Amino acid sequence: LAKTTQPISMDSYEGQEVNITCSHNNIATNDYITWYQQFPSQGPRFIIQGYKTKVTNEVASLFIPADRKSSTLSLPRVSLSDTAVYYCLVGINQAGTALIFGKGTTLSVSS
Amino acid sequence: DGGITQSPKYLFRKEGQNVTLSCEQNLNHDAMYWYRQDPGQGLRLIYYSQIVNDFQKGDIAEGYSVSREKKESFPLTVTSAQKNPTAFYLCASNPAGFTDTQYFGPGTRLTVL
Repeated sequence: LAKTTQPISMDSYEGQEVNITCSHNNIATNDYITWYQQFPSQGPRFIIQGYKTKVTNEVASLFIPADRKSSTLSLPRVSLSDTAVYYCLVGINQAGTALIFGKGTTLSVSS
Repeated sequence: DGGITQSPKYLFRKEGQNVTLSCEQNLNHDAMYWYRQDPGQGLRLIYYSQIVNDFQKGDIAEGYSVSREKKESFPLTVTSAQKNPTAFYLCASNPAGFTDTQYFGPGTRLTVL
């Protein structure tokens, strides 16, 4: 069961690029890496998912090194509205069910 | 518009009362989930259902019950046996696979007085 470790919090300013790194040393061969975003009092929202190398969509990029023991979510030119909690998820829980959400990284963007 | 709806958004109940939280989806997803979130914490799985008329306990099922009589609906009942029911409750669904992207509803904040 892959456990993830990510920073509790990060601070940034508008217009900057933000990189949030997640460690997952015990990732299994068939595990995907998924990132979600959650605003206060709302449900999490899918951002991006990848298996290896680099994935990019209209919101973010996900960088995964060859050993897949870590991943980095990159948010280009953040704005105040990117202030949220970001969760890194890998694999499934022991019952073979839903993804495991840890405490996430609280990103605070200031002007 | 396709999506997941949860009602009500805020719910207040007296201690000792059972309360049922609604979750409806029109995404034609087979799998549905209930999570609980406490302040500053991640999400913990309460119950999940992969198909109609079948559901399984998650990590913290004690004090909760569910039903899945229709594909679109997965209500959660918080019973009086749940010792600390005040929390933010989130419902989610996905097409079928456990590692599929999950789509979340807006949540219900339950406060027990």
